[in-house]
Order: sequence, then structure tokens, then C-alpha cells
Amino acid sequence: AQSVTQLGSHVSVSEGALVLLRCNYSSSVPPYLFWYVQYPNQGLQLLLKYTSAATLVKGINGFEAEFKKSETSFHLTKPSAHMSDAAEYFCAVSDRMAGGFKTIFGAGTRLFVKA
Amino acid sequence: DAGVTQSPTHLIKTRGQHVTLRCSPISGHKSVSWYQQVLGQGPQFIFQYYEKEERGRGNFPDRFSARQFPNYSSELNVNALLLGDSALYLCASIPGGGSGETQYFGPGTRLLVL
Repeated sequence: AQSVTQLGSHVSVSEGALVLLRCNYSSSVPPYLFWYVQYPNQGLQLLLKYTSAATLVKGINGFEAEFKKSETSFHLTKPSAHMSDAAEYFCAVSDRMAGGFKTIFGAGTRLFVKA
Repeated sequence: DAGVTQSPTHLIKTRGQHVTLRCSPISGHKSVSWYQQVLGQGPQFIFQYYEKEERGRGNFPDRFSARQFPNYSSELNVNALLLGDSALYLCASIPGGGSGETQYFGPGTRLLVL
């Protein structure tokens, strides 16, 4: 069964510092991997996705993630944090199931940005 | 284009009651998925519908049911509500039925069961 583990339920960085949010997955087949962001009282917004093309994926708002099969990781990074990046971030993996698909989300990492 | 809409935005019910949540996907999208997000946790997959047929079901009891209409809108029904059903219910609109496709989420319906 597929699963997603996000290391660190809370991450705090200073404005302008590097953001690193960790995600490890388990999958028996090449996965589709996603990072979503959720602002308070809102739904989820896609940041980026990996679908077996380039291993380094660039997303919106300056975020990027690198797919490392040997490490089963898909960590999210941003070179310089901005106050507006404060939010909850979810890593997710999708896999086919009997005619459809199922998406499994990690527990989330809340990012705090200090001025 | 309008995004994904969900109604109602907030709902308060008592134990034992039933509830119906509604979702209208993005125009042209043929698939919707439903998720339950308990406070402090990630979304949990409940159902996926594609072309009005159930294509996937998560680990939820039979009290949870859903359907998709010819216009691709969808309803999620929950019977015999329990306190533990209190959560944010998210609907995602998907262009087709592929697992690599982007899901576009609505703002959710926040359900409180007393």
C-alpha cells in the first residue's frame, strides 16, 4: 500500500531563509507525486507535481521539488522564504485503483515565517 | 471560468442526523473526488466519481455515500452522524480520470456534529 510521510509537523524559518519541507513516500510502482498548500479556512492549491518527466519540478511561487527514487523522497524547497508562504503544506501520492485512482495525503507540515 | 463551488460553507448537525453536501466542478471536468479533513490532519480520500460512476472508495463506512449527476455535479451524503464526522469536507474537480491529473479543490464545507 502506498503511504506518505512528512517529517516535521511544524517548521519555522526566518524571512529570506531557505525553506525545506520533507516528504518520503512508499510505492511499488513509479508514483505521481504532488505538493499542495492550504491557507487558513481555504481549500488546497497545487504547488507542483511529478509525473515521471524531469526529476526536478518547478512550481508556483518559487517552490521546487526533486524526485529521488533511490531515497523515495520528494522534498519541497524554496530559496528565500516570504511572509506570505506561511501556510500548511501537504505532500501527496496518487495511484490507480480499479478504474479510478486514489490520492493519499501526508499529515501536513505547518510553515511559520518569522520577520 | 468559475472554480469549484461547494455548498453549504458551514453546517451544524446533531448526532444521528443525516447531511447532504454539494459540489459543482469546473466546467468541462468530468470527475470529482471527495475528501474528509479532520482538524490537524491531512485530507482522507472518501470517493472518486468519473462520468457518473464510482471509480474509487476509501476506507469509510457505508454511512457515507455519494453520487454524480449528468451535469457532473456531485453530492456526498452521510447518515447517522457521529461526533467524529466533524471535519472539513473537500471536493476536488478533475478534468478526466487519470491519477496524474491535477485536482482542483473547492473551499470545503465545514461540518460540526454536536
